[in-house]
Amino acid sequence: EAAVTQSPRSKVAVTGGKVTLSCHQTNNHDYMYWYRQDTGHGLRLIHYSYVADSTEKGDIPDGYKASRPSQENFSLILELASLSQTAVYFCASSDDAETLYFGSGTRLTVL
Amino acid sequence: GDQVEQSPSALSLHEGTGSALRCNFTTTMRAVQWFRKNSRGSLINLFYLASGTKENGRLKSAFDSKERYSTLHIRDAQLEDSGTYFCAAEGNNRIFFGDGTQLVVKP
Repeated sequence: EAAVTQSPRSKVAVTGGKVTLSCHQTNNHDYMYWYRQDTGHGLRLIHYSYVADSTEKGDIPDGYKASRPSQENFSLILELASLSQTAVYFCASSDDAETLYFGSGTRLTVL
Repeated sequence: GDQVEQSPSALSLHEGTGSALRCNFTTTMRAVQWFRKNSRGSLINLFYLASGTKENGRLKSAFDSKERYSTLHIRDAQLEDSGTYFCAAEGNNRIFFGDGTQLVVKP
């Protein structure tokens, strides 16, 4: 079964600080995605990547950067964390751009 | 996922027909969401339910926390309904995803 591991599971950050969320998959999937989920709302796509060393903007990329240094790893970077970025973040991978395998989520609280 | 069993994994429908997707939960969930994944990878929120049923056009969803299941009914299927549908259930301060249903609507 596909395994997507996110770290940390939860994090508290201060406004203006730098936050890096990590995602690792062990299934040789080409596609990786970062979503955020806010209470009462659906998942929204932040950034995605279909090959190492390349990232693409999703629907809500502002305030976020992404990095795909290898096929297995995909990071989401908040250079200057803001209160509005408090949310749960999900990483997902896919081998065919259809079936998604999700990580367990990272709960980020920005104070 | 282990907490959510989504079925079927794949579904083929002819235009104008209908069917239902289902998610069974191994534990009591507080709420459920249904999504459809578009070609960019964005997940379009279809329904969010804490109980009962909701209807929107040709889609209808139901959630029974006590019986531990949720359904998504599609009627009068159209070609543009093709895609992958996911359920996601909230419980124990976590969200658990189904593995998805790949729907293909044929002329």
